[in-house]
Amino acid sequence: DAGVTQSPTHLIKTRGQQVTLRCSPKSGHDTVSWYQQALGQGPQFIFQYYEEEERQRGNFPDRFSGHQFPNYSSELNVNALLLGDSALYLCASSLYRLDQPQHFGDGTRLSIL
Amino acid sequence: DAKTTQPTSMDCAEGRAANLPCNHSTISGNEYVYWYRQIHSQGPQYIIHGLKNNETNEMASLIITEDRKSSTLILPHATLRDTAVYYCIVRVAVDDKIIFGKGTRLHILP
Repeated sequence: DAGVTQSPTHLIKTRGQQVTLRCSPKSGHDTVSWYQQALGQGPQFIFQYYEEEERQRGNFPDRFSGHQFPNYSSELNVNALLLGDSALYLCASSLYRLDQPQHFGDGTRLSIL
Repeated sequence: DAKTTQPTSMDCAEGRAANLPCNHSTISGNEYVYWYRQIHSQGPQYIIHGLKNNETNEMASLIITEDRKSSTLILPHATLRDTAVYYCIVRVAVDDKIIFGKGTRLHILP
């Protein structure tokens, strides 16, 4: 049973560019959440998708957007990249119920030059 | 902001029980306590969660005080592979997001 998978594992971009990160949820899960983790910090919630709609959003600018597909997989898009966007981007999947744990992938390491 | 307070770091001897405390004095009645850990260069790993009763699984035990204002994660026989940052999280009742704090960096000493 595959867990949460993310691609790519590493990515290097330059300022001003756009990036798309991908996530496949754990089998049987219908909800995907995205987090940003800067070096030495805990993960910060970006947004959550369920039934192909954004359900919750953290304190991130509109440059960060997402999408969920009918097969529950998801993409995170970031436009106009800034140096401060360098971070580990984590995807977590779960069943859409409060008492169900989120399961995380190992993330995409994004470096902005 | 995170609703939990944890020590910044802790040491534990290999083979001994590791007891990681967490304070969550403002927890609401329908909020769960979750524990995750993050080993270097990996995503957070779910460990255990509970509402008011003590819980045990193959990884750990979770002890929640009767007033629910604090909890303790117990790793019964710590190994070097348990070296990680441990996050205690209170799951927001209405929202479904996880708000991480800074966690406790646990060092298992050989």
